[in-house]
Amino acid sequence: DGGITQSPKYLFRKEGQNVTLSCEQNLNHDAMYWYRQDPGQGLRLIYYSQIVNDFQKGDIAEGYSVSREKKESFPLTVTSAQKNPTAFYLCASSIDRSGGASNEQFFGPGTRLTVL
Amino acid sequence: AQKITQTQPGMFVQEKEAVTLDCTYDTSDQSYGLFWYKQPSSGEMIFLIYQGSYDEQNATEGRYSLNFQKARKSANLVISASQLGDSAMYFCAMRDEAWEGGATNKLIFGTGTLLAVQP
Repeated sequence: DGGITQSPKYLFRKEGQNVTLSCEQNLNHDAMYWYRQDPGQGLRLIYYSQIVNDFQKGDIAEGYSVSREKKESFPLTVTSAQKNPTAFYLCASSIDRSGGASNEQFFGPGTRLTVL
Repeated sequence: AQKITQTQPGMFVQEKEAVTLDCTYDTSDQSYGLFWYKQPSSGEMIFLIYQGSYDEQNATEGRYSLNFQKARKSANLVISASQLGDSAMYFCAMRDEAWEGGATNKLIFGTGTLLAVQP
């Protein structure tokens, strides 16, 4: 089955530690995205990548880093510089960066990060 | 700057009745796309329906329809014959096409509406 996987579902870390969230897709999509969701708020874009070895900052990139070494994988690192990292993180992918009805974003199940 | 506004934090509807979830948007772009996503308690975002700004007909997908009023900049979601499984958060989103000189498929989301379907 094609889809997006994120692991783990729940993640706990101590304050000051970096943590990497994984995102893998087997949909052969070029574009991948990372969003953050806080209670009572919609999704906000952290980073996105349109093609391998390329990525751009979203609206709230400070304290985060990404890499895109393979088409299938787009890991997100939450660094100690992120002031309030506890949140629900969602990864998504789309065929490419273009618009149109056939190019909606598909989402993974999410990772809930709690920093103690 | 583009913005999506969902003014209904929560809604109740009786099973088998229709419900409308409101969404208004703000953009200076002529070409844009509007989306609705459903988020059950499991957290995954499920794509429901899409409306292009140049589409003359309102989009429909099964029990979902999008009431698109371009002049009023509204894109309300109508769910007909509500089912218990429709209970979830619903997000309206807009595709950003004018960002750093190129199309990006970047989505801007509203704050969501929590729908509760009562038996």
